[in-house]
Amino acid sequence: AQSVTQLGSHVSVSEGALVLLRCNYSSSVPPYLFWYVQYPNQGLQLLLKYTSAATLVKGINGFEAEFKKSETSFHLTKPSAHMSDAAEYFCAVRLNNNDMRFGAGTRLTVKP
Amino acid sequence: DAGVIQSPRHEVTEMGQEVTLRCKPISGHNSLFWYRQTMMRGLELLIYFNNNVPIDDSGMPEDRFSAKMPNASFSTLKIQPSEPRDSAVYFCASSSSGVGADTQYFGPGTRLTVL
Repeated sequence: AQSVTQLGSHVSVSEGALVLLRCNYSSSVPPYLFWYVQYPNQGLQLLLKYTSAATLVKGINGFEAEFKKSETSFHLTKPSAHMSDAAEYFCAVRLNNNDMRFGAGTRLTVKP
Repeated sequence: DAGVIQSPRHEVTEMGQEVTLRCKPISGHNSLFWYRQTMMRGLELLIYFNNNVPIDDSGMPEDRFSAKMPNASFSTLKIQPSEPRDSAVYFCASSSSGVGADTQYFGPGTRLTVL
């Protein structure tokens, strides 16, 4: 069954440092992959999605993710963290149906 | 667009009471999803509607849970009777097709506390 694994439930970085949030997927066919962000007391908001058009996907707020089939990974990165990036981030996978599976989430803390 | 609207935002009730959560999807979207988020289990899909018809309710935990979508602009999730273990944040999401790379847009959630 398709699923995603997010490595690290908590990640802490300093303001201005690189952000790297890891996501690995398991799927026997090319998946659709998503990254969502959840700010406190809010719903999930789409950051970016992979649709097979390009392996490097750029999203909102300076985030991007690269699809690597050989590593079954879809890690999320941002070159320079901002205090406003502190939130919980969810990786999700979906095949060509309505079954969308979310990872357990990674809480990002940004230190001043 | 106002986005997905959920009400109430917070609900506190006592065990055994009936709880009804409401959702208004984005206008024009024909797929609607109900999710539950807890610390222990993360984000779980409960049920999915397409064109007002329930397509997949395999995530509904038990018969105490029921969901309806009487029209394209309204859905309810009902818990009767409620139990303390139902305490969670319940999200509604909508999308234009519900499959493939289609984006799901989430509402702000309803935080349910069952005492």
